[in-house]
Amino acid sequence: GQQLNQSPQSMFIQEGEDVSMNCTSSSIFNTWLWYKQDPGEGPVLLIALYKAGELTSNGRLTAQFGITRKDSFLNISASIPSDVGIYFCAGPKTGANNLFFGTGTRLTVIP
Amino acid sequence: KAGVTQTPRYLIKTRGQQVTLSCSPISGHRSVSWYQQTPGQGLQFLFEYFSETQRNKGNFPGRFSGRQFSNSRSEMNVSTLELGDSALYLCASSLYGRADTGELFFGEGSRLTVL
Repeated sequence: GQQLNQSPQSMFIQEGEDVSMNCTSSSIFNTWLWYKQDPGEGPVLLIALYKAGELTSNGRLTAQFGITRKDSFLNISASIPSDVGIYFCAGPKTGANNLFFGTGTRLTVIP
Repeated sequence: KAGVTQTPRYLIKTRGQQVTLSCSPISGHRSVSWYQQTPGQGLQFLFEYFSETQRNKGNFPGRFSGRQFSNSRSEMNVSTLELGDSALYLCASSLYGRADTGELFFGEGSRLTVL
């Protein structure tokens, strides 16, 4: 089946630093989604990418859809304490209406 | 606009028991999906319902079942609980169930502990 591997698994950074994380797949995806899950909450969509090579921003977040369609990257600039949480990449299963989720990157921001 | 509501938020069961979890989607949404989240397996798709019909099912044993009512509310049931069923069960609501548009809105989840 399709597997989405995220790296790093966890990050500890100082407030104000920039963050980069990525997601790779063994299969091609036509859509890449990035979600954030706060403790005790469900995932919330951050950014959606629909085209290979696409670069999309949402405030301090920027995500890119890899050219090979097998990877995606998420950057967070000038991190703040509320960026703490788990970040998941996700892609839809071909021909179906459910998502494959990545393994997640747990972000800790030290004030 | 009210969000996705899942009940109960927390519950503890023992092996062999069964459990029913409930999800009320966003008003007007007709699709409800269920996901299981565990530390070891991450987020995995269970099934999706649209207009009371199961459209899609993940790789879970038959002990996991669900249904959707005419008001779009959904329930999932797990019978003969096993320790490995301990997880956060997340419900996602969407208008048409188009996962590729990112239109899934998740509830806060029901955390099940099996002892």
